[in-house]
Amino acid sequence: AQTVTQSQPEMSVQEAETVTLSCTYDTSENNYYLFWYKQPPSRQMILVIRQEAYKQQNATENRFSVNFQKAAKSFSLKISDSQLGDTAMYFCAFRDNNAGNMLTFGGGTRLMVKP
Amino acid sequence: KAGVTQTPRYLIKTRGQQVTLSCSPISGHRSVSWYQQTPGQGLQFLFEYFSETQRNKGNFPGRFSGRQFSNSRSEMNVSTLELGDSALYLCASRSGTGSTDTQYFGPGTRLTVL
Repeated sequence: AQTVTQSQPEMSVQEAETVTLSCTYDTSENNYYLFWYKQPPSRQMILVIRQEAYKQQNATENRFSVNFQKAAKSFSLKISDSQLGDTAMYFCAFRDNNAGNMLTFGGGTRLMVKP
Repeated sequence: KAGVTQTPRYLIKTRGQQVTLSCSPISGHRSVSWYQQTPGQGLQFLFEYFSETQRNKGNFPGRFSGRQFSNSRSEMNVSTLELGDSALYLCASRSGTGSTDTQYFGPGTRLTVL
């Protein structure tokens, strides 16, 4: 079974600064995806970024980028130029490509962007 | 395209009752997954349906069940409700045709059991 751990329950960052959210996971699989989802106070879960395990290049999406360390089973999210709208719960998630569509989520990190 | 819709958005039930939640996936999506979100247990996978067949099931008691219709709409049912079933129930849809496609979540149904 896979496990996903987010060690930072809460974080805060000043507007326009950079923040990194940590995520580690444990799996014996080789064919998998990793995701970061954002859940704002309105509660709609939104995909932020995803990483395919077989790709060594780190994924980037505008101000969001990941640091994927496969050997260390680490998948951190960096948010650059933080904006007030980035305030949300952030969840790291794992999907085994041989197990359908099931996502295993970490416990979440509550990020507060301060003006 | 319209997003994933879930009905109702809010629900209040009493212990022992049963409840049915509905999820309409994005048009063309064949995979629907359900998750339970609680402050204590976080986000937990309930089950996944693909083309009317249950493809995966999480570690939940048999009181939790689901089904998917030919138009890909899905329902989940919880019988003999317990206080601990109070949660946000999230539905997610995915086209299901490839490993690269994205899973999209609905706004959730907030179930309160009194």
